[in-house]
Amino acid sequence: SQTIHQWPATLVQPVGSPLSLECTVEGTSNPNLYWYRQAAGRGLQLLFYSVGIGQISSEVPQNLSASRPQDRQFILSSKKLLLSDSGFYLCAWTLGQGGSDTQYFGPGTRLTVL
Amino acid sequence: DQQVKQNSPSLSVQEGRISILNCDYTNSMFDYFLWYKKYPAEGPTFLISISSIKDKNEDGRFTVFLNKSAKHLSLHIVPSQPGDSAVYFCAATMTDSNYQLIWGAGTKLIIKP
Repeated sequence: SQTIHQWPATLVQPVGSPLSLECTVEGTSNPNLYWYRQAAGRGLQLLFYSVGIGQISSEVPQNLSASRPQDRQFILSSKKLLLSDSGFYLCAWTLGQGGSDTQYFGPGTRLTVL
Repeated sequence: DQQVKQNSPSLSVQEGRISILNCDYTNSMFDYFLWYKKYPAEGPTFLISISSIKDKNEDGRFTVFLNKSAKHLSLHIVPSQPGDSAVYFCAATMTDSNYQLIWGAGTKLIIKP
């Protein structure tokens, strides 16, 4: 069966510090991978998605970046965090490329920027 | 511009009664709609979906209704159970392309015993 891991579960970082969140998927090959952010009181905002190694599509301009160094690994990074980067970050995977494919989410990372 | 709107941030329903969660969308090109359920500190999980060629889809206690002319869909949960207490997200997409999901802000459902 497929599983998706995210770590850390919670993170408190000062403004201006770097960020690295990691997501890995097990039990499937060539998944499409997604990074979402849920800010307080808001829906899920798609940040990045990837259809393959080294292929990253950015949905929202911001100070975040994503990388996919391996087939089942997706990393979200920032060189300098802003207060507005606080939120709940979710990684997800699908087999298909369209939005109608069921997305399977990881447990999420709660990021607080102080 | 929010293309998918869930105007009720929260809803409280008595156990055993019907829960009705609403969702409105503005983009008439959307042709596939999904509901996800999310517990605190967890990722959302898929609940039920509906294609625009249908006006109703049922799965056990969960039924989704789609009114294309009104650009409105609703999720009915009958009967409501304590385990249904969660945040419910509505999402929409276009299936003809690799268009991604557009998500609503969510509605927190509280089932009272």
